[in-house]
Amino acid sequence: GDSVTQMEGPVTLSEEAFLTINCTYTATGYPSLFWYVQYPGEGLQLLLKATKADDKGSNKGFEATYRKETTSFHLEKGSVQVSDSAVYFCALSDRGNFNKFYFGSGTKLNVKP
Amino acid sequence: GEEVAQTPKHLVRGEGQKAKLYCAPIKGHSYVFWYQQVLKNEFKFLISFQNENVFDETGMPKERFSAKCLPNSPCSLEIQATKLEDSAVYFCASSQQQGSTDTQYFGPGTRLTVL
Repeated sequence: GDSVTQMEGPVTLSEEAFLTINCTYTATGYPSLFWYVQYPGEGLQLLLKATKADDKGSNKGFEATYRKETTSFHLEKGSVQVSDSAVYFCALSDRGNFNKFYFGSGTKLNVKP
Repeated sequence: GEEVAQTPKHLVRGEGQKAKLYCAPIKGHSYVFWYQQVLKNEFKFLISFQNENVFDETGMPKERFSAKCLPNSPCSLEIQATKLEDSAVYFCASSQQQGSTDTQYFGPGTRLTVL
């Protein structure tokens, strides 16, 4: 079945450090891949997405590339800010499975000044 | 509206009581999804609708959970005879079209606490 695996957190970084959050997936069909961010007490906000192999999604300095050969969609940012502190979720949507989302377990990011 | 709205924000129920949660999708979106977020951030899919029709209900615990999306009304998720294990944050999401490429937009969630 479909599933998403994320690196466990929390991840603690100093401001301006480089960020990588690993995400790998298993899917029976041709999934689209997403990163969502959840700030404390809030719902999920779409950060970026990629809908086919080799696509790169980007937003607010964050990037992720859809790698079919390694079934991965790692999130990266070159220089994190304190305001990036949140929980990040990797997700997939598989058109062969009614398009419901499968989420990873979330990775909490703490950025210190 | 431009955002998915969920009410109430918090709901406290004694074990065995009924709980009803509401969701208003973004105007023009045809698909509504319900998810349950439990401990350690795990998300579980519950049910989805295409307009007022059930699209996929493979995640619903059917004994006590039910859901509806009626025309001109907010969608609802109802839990009869709540149990302690139902304590979670329930998220509603909507999307414009059917398609795995389509983004789901999430509401702020309803936190249900069962005592």
